[in-house]
Amino acid sequence: GENVEQHPSTLSVQEGDSAVIKCTYSDSASNYFPWYKQELGKGPQLIIDIRSNVGEKKDQRIAVTLNKTAKHFSLHITETQPEDSAVYFCAANPGSARQLTFGSGTQLTVLP
Amino acid sequence: EAGVAQSPRYKIIEKRQSVAFWCNPISGHATLYWYQQILGQGPKLLIQFQNNGVVDDSQLPKDRFSAERLKGVDSTLKIQPAKLEDSAVYLCASKQGQARYGYTFGSGTRLTVV
Repeated sequence: GENVEQHPSTLSVQEGDSAVIKCTYSDSASNYFPWYKQELGKGPQLIIDIRSNVGEKKDQRIAVTLNKTAKHFSLHITETQPEDSAVYFCAANPGSARQLTFGSGTQLTVLP
Repeated sequence: EAGVAQSPRYKIIEKRQSVAFWCNPISGHATLYWYQQILGQGPKLLIQFQNNGVVDDSQLPKDRFSAERLKGVDSTLKIQPAKLEDSAVYLCASKQGQARYGYTFGSGTRLTVV
């Protein structure tokens, strides 16, 4: 089945700096890659997603890039703010299974 | 649009006891998932329903876990008997139709087995 690896596991940045989280996946049939933000005591909330026919997608301070050849995708957050502090998960939708496989998560801390 | 509702929010039980979790998906969402999220890890799929039928339960520990979605709407997940390693957050998610996107997660039930 699909295997998603995520790095780093923890990331601390100064407010206003950029943060980058990287994921790799194993199933070449995967073609949907969402990113979720999970705050303490809450379920994962979708923040951005990308489909395999697109190489990059941007939504205000958040962007995602996808390299299908290398099977990796990344989340970029610019001008970070303290409220961006949370756990971020990448995921991939493998083949026809119509289910998500998640990475292990990145604890992002934005220092004021 | 109402979100995915889960209850209870928290549950503490002793090992070997039984427990049940409930999920009410977004209205009209035919696909429902139960995920297990152990502290410090990403969610892992336990079972996937399409309407009231099971699509994938390959990762469900069937000797102790069971799930049902009798009328294709609400779902319950049961653990009997519970083990210490079952301590986790149990997340329910739902999705409309056959698209690969559009997943919505509930807030989860945090289970502590002592």
